[in-house]
Amino acid sequence: DAGITQSPRHKVTETGTPVTLRCHQTENHRYMYWYRQDPGHGLRLIHYSYGVKDTDKGEVSDGYSVSRSKTEDFLLTLESATSSQTSVYFCAISPLDRGATGANVLTFGAGSRLTVL
Amino acid sequence: EDKVVQSPLSLVVHEGDTVTLNCSYEVTNFRSLLWYKQEKKAPTFLFMLTSSGIEKKSGRLSSILDKKELFSILNITATQTGDSAIYLCAVSNSGYALNFGKGTSLLVTP
Repeated sequence: DAGITQSPRHKVTETGTPVTLRCHQTENHRYMYWYRQDPGHGLRLIHYSYGVKDTDKGEVSDGYSVSRSKTEDFLLTLESATSSQTSVYFCAISPLDRGATGANVLTFGAGSRLTVL
Repeated sequence: EDKVVQSPLSLVVHEGDTVTLNCSYEVTNFRSLLWYKQEKKAPTFLFMLTSSGIEKKSGRLSSILDKKELFSILNITATQTGDSAIYLCAVSNSGYALNFGKGTSLLVTP
C-alpha cells in the first residue's frame, strides 16, 4: 500500500484498557493523519501531524492522543478504550503540495479494525 | 463549519447501466475536490479537480467540478460488478487535512 503500514490490523480489547495503533511510512512524507470510519459517518479526522513533534486535533479528537517522534512513525493512543471507539482506523500520508494546484492527495493505509468490548 | 454532502447514500444498478454520483460542498478557502474509491479496505485515489468545467476521465469514469454551484459529479458508464464499492468525495481547503463526505455505496448486480 504505497509504503504505508498499519499495525495491528485487527485488535479486540476490553473497556478501560490502553491501546496504541501504529502507522509507519517509507515515503518520507511530512504530513500524516489518523481517521476513523464508522457506518453513517464516513471518514472523520482524529489527529494529524505536520512534522516531527508537530501535531494538531481533528474533529473527533476526544479520548485520543498522538505522538510523532520520527518522520516515519505516527502513533495513535486510546488511553482508556471505550465501546464508542470501536471503529476502523485509517492512517494516511500526504506530501501536501501547496503549489499551483493546491493538491493534497492523501494515500491511505489498509486500516486497523478495533473492537472494544 | 465545512460540509461535504454526497448523494445518494446508496445505489443498486444492473451491469451496463450508467450512474451519476453527486457531491456538494460548503468549504472556506476551497482548494480542490477529490474522489476516492473504497472496496474492502483502503480508499484509493481516483481524481482531483481544482478548476470548474474541466472534465477528468479515466476509462469509464469521469468527473467534473462546478465551483460556482459548489458541486461535483462522478459518472461511471457501462458499469461492471467490479465497480461495486463506496465512493468518497473529499474537499481540501487551506488546512492540512481532507474533509470527507459520508460516501455513496454502489452495488452493481450481474
